[in-house]
Amino acid sequence: NAGVTQTPKFQVLKTGQSMTLQCAQDMNHNSMYWYRQDPGMGLRLIYYSASEGTTDKGEVPNGYNVSRLNKREFSLRLESAAPSQTSVYFCASRGTGGVNEQFFGPGTRLTVL
Amino acid sequence: SQQGEEDPQALSIQEGENATMNCSYKTSINNLQWYRQNSGRGLVHLILIRSNEREKHSGRLRVTLDTSKKSSSLLITASRAADTASYFCATDPFGTDKLIFGTGTRLQVFP
Repeated sequence: NAGVTQTPKFQVLKTGQSMTLQCAQDMNHNSMYWYRQDPGMGLRLIYYSASEGTTDKGEVPNGYNVSRLNKREFSLRLESAAPSQTSVYFCASRGTGGVNEQFFGPGTRLTVL
Repeated sequence: SQQGEEDPQALSIQEGENATMNCSYKTSINNLQWYRQNSGRGLVHLILIRSNEREKHSGRLRVTLDTSKKSSSLLITASRAADTASYFCATDPFGTDKLIFGTGTRLQVFP
């Protein structure tokens, strides 16, 4: 099992460009999450999806959109990138039935110039 | 912000010493979890303590939880250079499907 995978690993954008970060999990988990991590800020939740077909805003959703394409995949889109979105982005997933641990992908390091 | 607070922000110790880091949070919780992050990598789950538990052990890890003070501590005993990483607490609030992460403690263990 690959666990949680993310693509790309690194990306440099210019202000105003758009891009989509991809995330997939092979653990048959219902819940998936997108976080951003900035120095000294820990992880902040951008969006999450409790099940296929549902998405909800987290703490910092502005400037982002998400799509839960199917149970495996959860993508994050930046429509018009801004320098303030320079960060490391992590995707995570979590199963149900009393298992509360989240499993994280390796992250995408995004720089917006 | 919903984030919890951790202290210290950074901790440097010698191999063999114990490392203690603390976490405070704001809401009622189902459980509290600790995660580890090596530099440039994703987070890895270490241990979970439920709201009705006061102490839990896993190998060299000891976690305590005081729900009346909304605080938790993580103790790593007999630390090793390989324990060098950032450690985050995360709370699982009632009625939600998400975790709220603290700001983290950077631990440096010198050989």
